[in-house]
Amino acid sequence: DVKVTQSSRYLVKRTGEKVFLECVQDMDHENMFWYRQDPGLGLRLIYFSYDVKMKEKGDIPEGYSVSREKKERFSLILESASTNQTSMYLCASEASGGQETQYFGPGTRLLVL
Amino acid sequence: AQTVTQSQPEMSVQEAETVTLSCTYDTSESDYYLFWYKQPPSRQMILVIRQEAYKQQNATENRFSVNFQKAAKSFSLKISDSQLGDAAMYFCAYRSADDYKLSFGAGTTVTVRA
Repeated sequence: DVKVTQSSRYLVKRTGEKVFLECVQDMDHENMFWYRQDPGLGLRLIYFSYDVKMKEKGDIPEGYSVSREKKERFSLILESASTNQTSMYLCASEASGGQETQYFGPGTRLLVL
Repeated sequence: AQTVTQSQPEMSVQEAETVTLSCTYDTSESDYYLFWYKQPPSRQMILVIRQEAYKQQNATENRFSVNFQKAAKSFSLKISDSQLGDAAMYFCAYRSADDYKLSFGAGTTVTVRA
């Protein structure tokens, strides 16, 4: 089975802090994604990566950056956390081809105070 | 951009009964995929069922089935013989055949009454 893990289930940070959210998948998938989930809004795509060191902006990239130095690891970075970034963050991965299923991690609930 | 609408924020069903979740989407494309994902309270999102738009036959997975109406741009999920483990938030999602992106609806919370 595909396994997607995220480094933390819960995080509490202060406004202005730099925050790193890590995601690791064990299935040699090419594509990886970061979403945020908010009540009433569903999931919204922040960034995705289709290869090592390759990235594309999703629908809501402002205030975020990403890093993919290794195929199995995709990091989401909040350069200067703000209270409006309090949310649930979900990572996903999928094999390349554009017709595959996305597999999700358990999520990280981030609270920015 | 594609939009996915789930008009039912919450649904409740008696154990062993059937519940249907609605989903509509907006697209100008002819080749795409539709998904239903389940997110239990533990938060791990899992795929329930997937439908290719070019297939006329409705997808089924055990107790889960869809009613795909391409002309109406409707994609409902039917859960038959509901079980307590079906309690979760369910998301409908759309994906163009030539895009990486999934567009999600707002979700429907399903409660199963014992």
